[in-house]
Amino acid sequence: AQKITQTQPGMFVQEKEAVTLDCTYDTSDPSYGLFWYKQPSSGEMIFLIYQGSYDQQNATEGRYSLNFQKARKSANLVISASQLGDSAMYFCAMREPPSGNTGKLIFGQGTTLQVKP
Amino acid sequence: NAGVTQTPKFRVLKTGQSMTLLCAQDMNHEYMYWYRQDPGMGLRLIHYSVGEGTTAKGEVPDGYNVSRLKKQNFLLGLESAAPSQTSVYFCASSYRRNGELFFGEGSRLTVL
Repeated sequence: AQKITQTQPGMFVQEKEAVTLDCTYDTSDPSYGLFWYKQPSSGEMIFLIYQGSYDQQNATEGRYSLNFQKARKSANLVISASQLGDSAMYFCAMREPPSGNTGKLIFGQGTTLQVKP
Repeated sequence: NAGVTQTPKFRVLKTGQSMTLLCAQDMNHEYMYWYRQDPGMGLRLIHYSVGEGTTAKGEVPDGYNVSRLKKQNFLLGLESAAPSQTSVYFCASSYRRNGELFFGEGSRLTVL
């Protein structure tokens, strides 16, 4: 069965520094998708970035990049130049293989990031 | 553009009471999902739907029922609420099976 693991329950980072949030996954299917979502204290879920298993390059979206290491089955989120507004909980998620035709995501436990001024 | 709207946002129930959470999306999305979020456990899938008139069980379906009579609405029902169902419930939708999920703002349910 597919599984997503985020081993860092909480992290601190100094404002303007970069931070890496870890995510490892487990699947036996060669085709899958990996997502990161941000959940600020207000509670909404905000989509940040997506990486497909066949994508040749690491995904980037502004200050967010995904360090995709397929052999290690890791999909770490890198936030560059942290801002106070980055303080939130971050979830890594994996999409079930296309053969399932459901589109559902499996989520990790989440990592709480606090940015210090 | 409202996106995904959940009602109610907050609700307190007594054990044994029933209630329905409504999720409405105005993006013409085929796929809809109900998740629950509990501390330290991330989001867990309760039920989902891949189109109007279809529903299927997710990871934690016990104690919940769903219906998708109209494409834009996905209802989550609790027939006899239990304290273990105290949680934050999120509805999400997706246009296609490999697109990102768009989430509602969440509904906080407390069962006493």
